[in-house]
Amino acid sequence: KNQVEQSPQSLIILEGKNCTLQCNYTVSPFSNLRWYKQDTGRGPVSLTIMTFSENTKSNGRYTATLDADTKQSSLHITASQLSDSASYICVILSGTYKYIFGTGTRLKVLA
Amino acid sequence: EAQVTQNPRYLITVTGKKLTVTCSQNMNHEYMSWYRQDPGLGLRQIYYSMNVEVTDKGDVPEGYKVSRKEKRNFPLILESPSPNQTSLYFCASSFSGGPLYEQYFGPGTRLTVT
Repeated sequence: KNQVEQSPQSLIILEGKNCTLQCNYTVSPFSNLRWYKQDTGRGPVSLTIMTFSENTKSNGRYTATLDADTKQSSLHITASQLSDSASYICVILSGTYKYIFGTGTRLKVLA
Repeated sequence: EAQVTQNPRYLITVTGKKLTVTCSQNMNHEYMSWYRQDPGLGLRQIYYSMNVEVTDKGDVPEGYKVSRKEKRNFPLILESPSPNQTSLYFCASSFSGGPLYEQYFGPGTRLTVT
């Protein structure tokens, strides 16, 4: 069964600290892996898109890694800000049109 | 402004009363998709459309219908809503299918079926 598992489920950190979110997947076929940020009550917004040949991709303070052999990805957030408080969702594109979502990690950044 | 719009944003209805949630994009995107988001389950794909008049089922299509008569619109139809369809619904679009294109999501429609 195609699955995308994320950990931790929730995380609380202090402003300015770094954190790393994890994503493990068992999806076939695999086309690419995406990380989204979702603010409460709003639609997800894309942070990064990675194909199986890419190991690392950055978007400002967000850096995603992908190990296609172990089917693991991580999202590292550097120097967190209050505005980083949101859910972060790992998504696999399977084939051309089907998206499989993880349940997300809820991050809260405290002042 | 490039965007995906959904209407209504909030809807409370009763079991069995047919309803339609509209989705429209102004980016000339070929690919459009509907998702539902439930606590603890994440987003799940309901239906998607690769282009006008071409649609296919996602993971949870039961109880839903879609149509794609125009490129910009992709309505979601609930012929006979039931309480288990209470959820937060998102429409999304991208230029095309495939690994290169970003998906852009609408603001969501919160549906309650009593």
